[in-house]
Amino acid sequence: DSGVTQTPKHLITATGQRVTLRCSPRSGDLSVYWYQQSLDQGLQFLIQYYNGEERAKGNILERFSAQQFPDLHSELNLSSLELGDSALYFCASSATGTANAGELFFGEGSRLTVL
Amino acid sequence: AQSVAQPEDQVNVAEGNPLTVKCTYSVSGNPYLFWYVQYPNRGLQFLLKYITGDNLVKGSYGFEAEFNKSQTSFHLKKPSALVSDSALYFCAVRDHPGGGNKLTFGTGTQLKVEL
Repeated sequence: DSGVTQTPKHLITATGQRVTLRCSPRSGDLSVYWYQQSLDQGLQFLIQYYNGEERAKGNILERFSAQQFPDLHSELNLSSLELGDSALYFCASSATGTANAGELFFGEGSRLTVL
Repeated sequence: AQSVAQPEDQVNVAEGNPLTVKCTYSVSGNPYLFWYVQYPNRGLQFLLKYITGDNLVKGSYGFEAEFNKSQTSFHLKKPSALVSDSALYFCAVRDHPGGGNKLTFGTGTQLKVEL
């Protein structure tokens, strides 16, 4: 158990709809990362938050948005869903400090299916 | 931009034999390199990292990786494979400076260990 909790584990929805994925990081971790894993694109970095502020942005579509709340949990909002958005969405968190630099702890993912 | 390449989609090895999963990198400056493993229906788990120091890095579950600057490689190795090592393995590089702990992952190599 990584200590990172993601909900829901599975989600099935229709094109055009909007969903919210939730992530609770490990206790004490200030950084949260969102990744998308699909068969054709592999593991793609979407966005990172650090203590409530956006820290880095990757290949995140304009239809997607994220935020990190004061209690450090994060939400990824996906709107106007398309079939191609079907994927496994991972949240990861990391401890601060150079000793642990780059060691991410991943949740088990939220599998999104868009029909 | 930092990147890593995993040239093999799949590696097959017999149990008890040594295994190698290949990774090459392209970075500006000194590389921060990582290996992660993903078991079916699970999130990624950290195996090991190279930041600086000894070129041979030891990690979890008996895995090790050899950093080779002249060949820009960071191959994952294990002296004696187990069936339970069968999983998807990802090489990753950390963006720096200024990239926080964001990791860019390779496309993954499926390791299959057979009896």
